[in-house]
Amino acid sequence: GEDVEQSLFLSVREGDSSVINCTYTDSSSTYLYWYKQEPGAGLQLLTYIFSNMDMKQDQRLTVLLNKKDKHLSLRIADTQTGDSAIYFCAEREDSNYQLIWGAGTKLIIKP
Amino acid sequence: DAGITQSPRHKVTETGTPVTLRCHQTENHRYMYWYRQDPGHGLRLIHYSYGVKDTDKGEVSDGYSVSRSKTEDFLLTLESATSSQTSVYFCAIQSGGNYGYTFGSGTRLTVV
Repeated sequence: GEDVEQSLFLSVREGDSSVINCTYTDSSSTYLYWYKQEPGAGLQLLTYIFSNMDMKQDQRLTVLLNKKDKHLSLRIADTQTGDSAIYFCAEREDSNYQLIWGAGTKLIIKP
Repeated sequence: DAGITQSPRHKVTETGTPVTLRCHQTENHRYMYWYRQDPGHGLRLIHYSYGVKDTDKGEVSDGYSVSRSKTEDFLLTLESATSSQTSVYFCAIQSGGNYGYTFGSGTRLTVV
C-alpha cells in the first residue's frame, strides 16, 4: 500500500536553514502537504503543493517536489525557536480522498 | 480552531468503562475523521465518516465505534476502555479547496 516516510529527528542551529525530507509512494497523488504540530496542540496545515508544481514558496517556507523520485522537502529559512515542533508530511490518496501520513519529524533548535 | 472542537480535552477513566469523545464542527463539511496519536506511531486512522450515518473503519478500529447522526457531530466510543487505548485522540474535517484537513485540539485520554 501507500507509504510516506520521514526521518524522526532533525537538529539545527538557530538562524540556519532547516530542510525536512519526505518520500512517498503514490505517484498519482495530486496534493502533498506539510503540517506543523506544536507541543500539546493539534496539527496545523503549513503549506501544500499541487502535483504539477516543482516548487512553492511562502515567506520563509520553500517546498520542493521531485515527482520522478517521489521526494518532497520543506525548507525553513532562518530557523527560529518558534519553529520547534513536529512536522508531518502527507499525501492525498486520490482513490478515497484520504491523507496518508508520515510519522513526523521533530525539529530541534539549538541556540 | 477553524470551526472544529473536541470534548473533553482531558479524561481519565477506568479499565472496562465505556467512554465517548465528541467532535463538533460548525462548517457543514462532509468528511470527518478520528485519529489516535502515539509516540513512535504517528497518526493512525480509527474511523471516518463521509456523511450522516455513513462511516467506515480505519486501520486501528478494533475496540472503537463511531456514530454520526448529524452533519456537525462525530462521536467516538470506546466500548470497554483498555490501557492500550491511552492516547491522544484527534478529530479532523476535510476542508478547503486543497482538500487538506483541519484538526481539533485533541483529547488526552488516560485509561487506568
